[in-house]
Amino acid sequence: NAGVMQNPRHLVRRRGQEARLRCSPMKGHSHVYWYRQLPEEGLKFMVYLQKENIIDESGMPKERFSAEFPKEGPSILRIQQVVRGDSAAYFCASSPGTSEDNEQFFGPGTRLTVL
Amino acid sequence: QKEVEQDPGPLSVPEGAIVSLNCTYSNSAFQYFMWYRQYSRKGPELLMYTYSSGNKEDGRFTAQVDKSSKYISLFIRDSQPSDSATYLCAMSGGRSSASKIIFGSGTRLSIRP
Repeated sequence: NAGVMQNPRHLVRRRGQEARLRCSPMKGHSHVYWYRQLPEEGLKFMVYLQKENIIDESGMPKERFSAEFPKEGPSILRIQQVVRGDSAAYFCASSPGTSEDNEQFFGPGTRLTVL
Repeated sequence: QKEVEQDPGPLSVPEGAIVSLNCTYSNSAFQYFMWYRQYSRKGPELLMYTYSSGNKEDGRFTAQVDKSSKYISLFIRDSQPSDSATYLCAMSGGRSSASKIIFGSGTRLSIRP
């Protein structure tokens, strides 16, 4: 059973470009969470999605950031017009959604560098 | 004030020592408490998961929660060089998957052979 998969693992963008980060949850998981980790800091919650629905986006910056989890395919975190401050590791986690336990399984992360 | 406070370290101890890692928090609504281990350039891995106050043991790891003091701890017995990693405490207010997790900033631990 493959774990949470994220790609690309490393992404380099110039200021003003768009970044698209993909996350495929574990098999059977229908809940996806995105977190951002700045250097020397802990993980900060960004957004929680179920298939075709955004459940909680309280951690998402108001501008330039969006997320989706379509019926088919991976979840996408999209950052438009990237700035240097967007450089961070972005982690995706998934959970079953059928059990009461809030155990989230994390992917290996995408490291975004903005030049 | 951050919701979850964690000493960033680094903490360096000799192999075989008992390690104590701690976090404090301010939100009394937190009910579920977790410890994650994160190796360099990898994703976090869940180590321990506890509900409310009390102790939970799993092999060399023991998690303690004191809700009255808003204080949680992770103890590692007979520490090994392979335990060298960053340890993140985390907590949430509800049990369902709808509850977002709030993380501490992590403590970097190094076990010297």
